[in-house]
Amino acid sequence: DAGVIQSPRHEVTEMGQEVTLRCKPISGHNSLFWYRQTMMRGLELLIYFNNNVPIDDSGMPEDRFSAKMPNASFSTLKIQPSEPRDSAVYFCASSFGLVLHFGNGTRLTVT
Amino acid sequence: TQLLEQSPQFLSIQEGENLTVYCNSSSVFSSLQWYRQEPGEGPVLLVTVVTGGEVKKLKRLTFQFGDARKDSSLHITAAQPGDTGLYLCGETSGSRLTFGEGTQLTVNP
Repeated sequence: DAGVIQSPRHEVTEMGQEVTLRCKPISGHNSLFWYRQTMMRGLELLIYFNNNVPIDDSGMPEDRFSAKMPNASFSTLKIQPSEPRDSAVYFCASSFGLVLHFGNGTRLTVT
Repeated sequence: TQLLEQSPQFLSIQEGENLTVYCNSSSVFSSLQWYRQEPGEGPVLLVTVVTGGEVKKLKRLTFQFGDARKDSSLHITAAQPGDTGLYLCGETSGSRLTFGEGTQLTVNP
């Protein structure tokens, strides 16, 4: 099993640009989570899906952030337009039950 | 929203020493998980505790869940450099997992 796969591993972009982060969950998992990690705020839950349906997006910072899960094997997190304060490591995790399996994250830098 | 507090925030010790880190909540946990995160990687689950008073051991790691299910501790015996990492506690509520800010542990050889 390849685990949760995230791409890209690193993303550097300029303020105002659109950024799309991608995640492939573990096959058979029915829940998918997007987290953001910063030194100041730790690991924050942004949104999670059950069976491809968004359940709780209360952690999404603002309307510039959107997430989709068009099928059981793919999810995206989009930031449009990006701002320097969005710089962070973004993690995707999937689960079947209580155990979350995390990807290795996307390090986003917005200049 | 339940507030998870972890302490200490940073801990630097020498190889062979023992240590304990803590996770406390403002209310009762339904269940609690401990994860370890190494640089450049995502968190990896160490243990899940569910029952008040529960104690679980994983080699040199001992996890305790408070009787009232509002606190938990992780004790490491004879720490090794390979134990270096960010230790996170997380509270589960349904399918949702919310984390504390973590304890950054450094074990020096």
